[in-house]
Amino acid sequence: DIVMTQSPDSLAVSLGERATINCKSSQSVLYSSNNKNYLAWYQQKPGQPPKLLIYWASTRESGVPDRFSGSGSGTDFTLTISSLQAEDVAVYYCQQYYTTPFTFGPGTKVGIK
Amino acid sequence: QVQLQESGPGLVKPSETLSLTCTVSGGSISSSSYYWGWIRQPPGKGLEWIGSIFYTGSTYDNPSLKSRVSISIDTSRNRFSLKVSSVTAADTAVYYCAREDHNFGNALWGQGTLVTVSS
Repeated sequence: DIVMTQSPDSLAVSLGERATINCKSSQSVLYSSNNKNYLAWYQQKPGQPPKLLIYWASTRESGVPDRFSGSGSGTDFTLTISSLQAEDVAVYYCQQYYTTPFTFGPGTKVGIK
Repeated sequence: QVQLQESGPGLVKPSETLSLTCTVSGGSISSSSYYWGWIRQPPGKGLEWIGSIFYTGSTYDNPSLKSRVSISIDTSRNRFSLKVSSVTAADTAVYYCAREDHNFGNALWGQGTLVTVSS
């Protein structure tokens, strides 16, 4: 199985400041035939299902604010919230969908400082 | 728009079989673009992918569940189902169904249903 790790476990950021979450996979999730990284980011608020933010490591899902961006390739990835808003308080998960079993990172809790 | 809704018992006894159904509305489960998946989340913990099924009946599953899992699909009723046998307290979780796109991730989720394993 591909093991996903995330850092930090939690972070607190002032409103309007940048939040950065890291995700690492135990093996590459880059599919060579199309040069796409099969890595997604989800946001989960209490009592709600996860919401897809980013797929292919850096492509924003329709309707997702552009303050959310994803980067990275191979085994190392980053989710950045450029200017944290109150509604961004949530747990964020990365997931690889390169090979089954599809696996999630343990999550990073983002709060307000 | 397409919606997913989980249904099934909220309480299951240890050693019995957990059974859930996900009904898809607003679209066909027979789309060749998607798999239909199950993900669970123990209270206060992270997400675990259980498995998924294509409309043809082809499945992927998570070996960590040691063959206790069965996923089936009923295209005539536009729904798919999950069975987990020999449950223990460790199977207590919110179970989500989701539309799984193997190119774009899981953009569509049900609201989730809490299943508690307890005598």
